[in-house]
Amino acid sequence: AQSVAQPEDQVNVAEGNPLTVKCTYSVSGNPYLFWYVQYPNRGLQFLLKYITGDNLVKGSYGFEAEFNKSQTSFHLKKPSALVSDSALYFCAVRVLSYNTDKLIFGTGTRLQVFP
Amino acid sequence: KAGVTQTPRYLIKTRGQQVTLSCSPISGHRSVSWYQQTPGQGLQFLFEYFSETQRNKGNFPGRFSGRQFSNSRSEMNVSTLELGDSALYLCASSLLAGEPVYEQYFGPGTRLTVT
Repeated sequence: AQSVAQPEDQVNVAEGNPLTVKCTYSVSGNPYLFWYVQYPNRGLQFLLKYITGDNLVKGSYGFEAEFNKSQTSFHLKKPSALVSDSALYFCAVRVLSYNTDKLIFGTGTRLQVFP
Repeated sequence: KAGVTQTPRYLIKTRGQQVTLSCSPISGHRSVSWYQQTPGQGLQFLFEYFSETQRNKGNFPGRFSGRQFSNSRSEMNVSTLELGDSALYLCASSLLAGEPVYEQYFGPGTRLTVT
C-alpha cells in the first residue's frame, strides 16, 4: 500500500536559520511526490513536486526538496526561514492507475518560525 | 486565470439534514477530486471525477456522493449528516487525470459544521 509519513508534528526554527521538514514514503512503482502548504483558513497551496529527473527539486517561495530513493525520503528544505513561512506543511504521494488519480497525504507538520 | 472556487465557504447544518457543496475548477481543467480534512483523520480522499465520470471513490459511506457536469463543475452531497461529518471539504482540479506532470490545485474549501 502507498503511504507517506511525516515523523514530526511540529518543527520550530529561528528566522534566518535553515529549515527541514521530513517526509518518508512507501510506494509500489514510480514515486510521484508533492509538497503542499496550508495557511490558516485556506486551502492547500502547491509548493513543488518530484516526478522524475534531478533529485533536487526547486519550488515556490525559495523551498526545495531532495528526493532520496535509497532512503525513500523527500525532505522539504529552505536555506533561510522567514516568519511568514509559519504554516502547516503536507507531503503527499500521488497514486495513479488506469482508473485512479488521488493524493495520499502525510499527517502534516506544523512549522513555526520565531523572530 | 481564476483559481478553484468552492461555495459556500462556511455551512452549518443539523444532524440528519443533507448538504450539497459546489466546486468550480480552473478553466480548462477536466479532473476534479474531493478531499475531507479533519483534525483526527487528516486529509482523506473522497472522489475523483473526469469527463463526468467518477473514476474512483475513497473509503467513505454511501451517504457521500458526487457528480461532475459537462462544464467540469462538480458537486458533492452528504445525506443524513452526522456530527463526525464536520470537516473542511477541499476540492482540487487538474488539467488531466492520471498525468503526474499536471499537479492538483486546491480551492479554499468549505467548512461544514454539523450540530
